[in-house]
Amino acid sequence: DTGVSQDPRHKITKRGQNVTFRCDPISEHNRLYWYRQTLGQGPEFLTYFQNEAQLEKSRLLSDRFSAERPKGSFSTLEIQRTEQGDSAMYLCASSHPAPSYNEQFFGPGTRLTVL
Amino acid sequence: AQKVTQAQTEISVVEKEDVTLDCVYETRDTTYYLFWYKQPPSGELVFLIRRNSFDEQNEISGRYSWNFQKSTSSFNFTITASQVVDSAVYFCALSGLNDMRFGAGTRLTVKP
Repeated sequence: DTGVSQDPRHKITKRGQNVTFRCDPISEHNRLYWYRQTLGQGPEFLTYFQNEAQLEKSRLLSDRFSAERPKGSFSTLEIQRTEQGDSAMYLCASSHPAPSYNEQFFGPGTRLTVL
Repeated sequence: AQKVTQAQTEISVVEKEDVTLDCVYETRDTTYYLFWYKQPPSGELVFLIRRNSFDEQNEISGRYSWNFQKSTSSFNFTITASQVVDSAVYFCALSGLNDMRFGAGTRLTVKP
């Protein structure tokens, strides 16, 4: 199977540390998306890839955030020098590229707590 | 800029009541897509429906129905004969060229 998986599911870190999250999309999906969700809010789009190309990254929250998808399969989201305000759920989703704007299938998320 | 507004923060109904969740959107794009997602207490977002901006036909799927009205920029979601298992947060979302905007969500509680 086959849903979108994310690792780890929970991460607790101290302010100033770097963290990296991994997302494995559904295997035949070549679009992959990252979102952040804070309590009581809807997911906030961060960036997305089509295969290994990062097609939109202007919505990344700051230059401390970066994402990669080197082989067009799994992706990583890194946050450097974490701050308490980075505490949130980080969601990954994947979709087929065609037809455009197909439904995105979401993973279970990684909950980050920055102490 | 794109925006999605879900004015109802929380709704509580008793089982078997019908309930409508409102969604109003703003976009300058002529081609766009609208979505509804469900987020149950387990946390994982579940896709419910997608509509494109050229298709204003309403849709019914079991107890769920959607009313898309371009004239009022609304895409409302109705659950008929609600059940306890419908309790969740429901998100409306708008997809443009390069991103997806979600509303803040409506928390639906269905009491037995």
